[in-house]
Amino acid sequence: GQQLNQSPQSMFIQEGEDVSMNCTSSSIFNTWLWYKQDPGEGPVLLIALYKAGELTSNGRLTAQFGITRKDSFLNISASIPSDVGIYFCAGQDNAGNMLTFGGGTRLMVKP
Amino acid sequence: DSGVTQTPKHLITATGQRVTLRCSPRSGDLSVYWYQQSLDQGLQFLIQYYNGEERAKGNILERFSAQQFPDLHSELNLSSLELGDSALYFCASSQRGTSGYEQYFGPGTRLTVT
Repeated sequence: GQQLNQSPQSMFIQEGEDVSMNCTSSSIFNTWLWYKQDPGEGPVLLIALYKAGELTSNGRLTAQFGITRKDSFLNISASIPSDVGIYFCAGQDNAGNMLTFGGGTRLMVKP
Repeated sequence: DSGVTQTPKHLITATGQRVTLRCSPRSGDLSVYWYQQSLDQGLQFLIQYYNGEERAKGNILERFSAQQFPDLHSELNLSSLELGDSALYFCASSQRGTSGYEQYFGPGTRLTVT
């Protein structure tokens, strides 16, 4: 099946630093989504991207849909302790279909 | 709060047993998706229902089945449980956003098979 490669697997940063993570795929997706998951909770949708080249922001978060449709990245600016968690990318080939998830990026923020 | 509810929150059972997990989608959402999250496999799609009909199947074992009822809630049935079935099981539902179908996840059911 399709695989999404998400990197880095983990990051330990200082509060106030910017963070960047990305996902690459061997296949094309028509939608990219980014989720955050806290321990013991369900994934929470952060940003959805629908067009190649699209750049979308949600507060301190910015995500882009790669031109090739095979990649996406997420940036978090000026990180704060509550940004701690696991961030997942997910690709969707067609609207309404299943999501294929990356392996996640575990973010740790040092105050 | 995503608006998707799942019960129970935790479930502990023995090998060979059968359990049922329940999901209520967001108001107005017709699609329900089930995902399994384990340490070694990550988040994996199991099955999707749309307005009561099965729409897509992923890596779902034959021992697992699901259904969606007329009121749109869904149940995931896991039978002949094995130790390896221990995982978090999530339900998601979708609504049409500005451009597509965004999926919103419930809080999950943590299944422990002993």
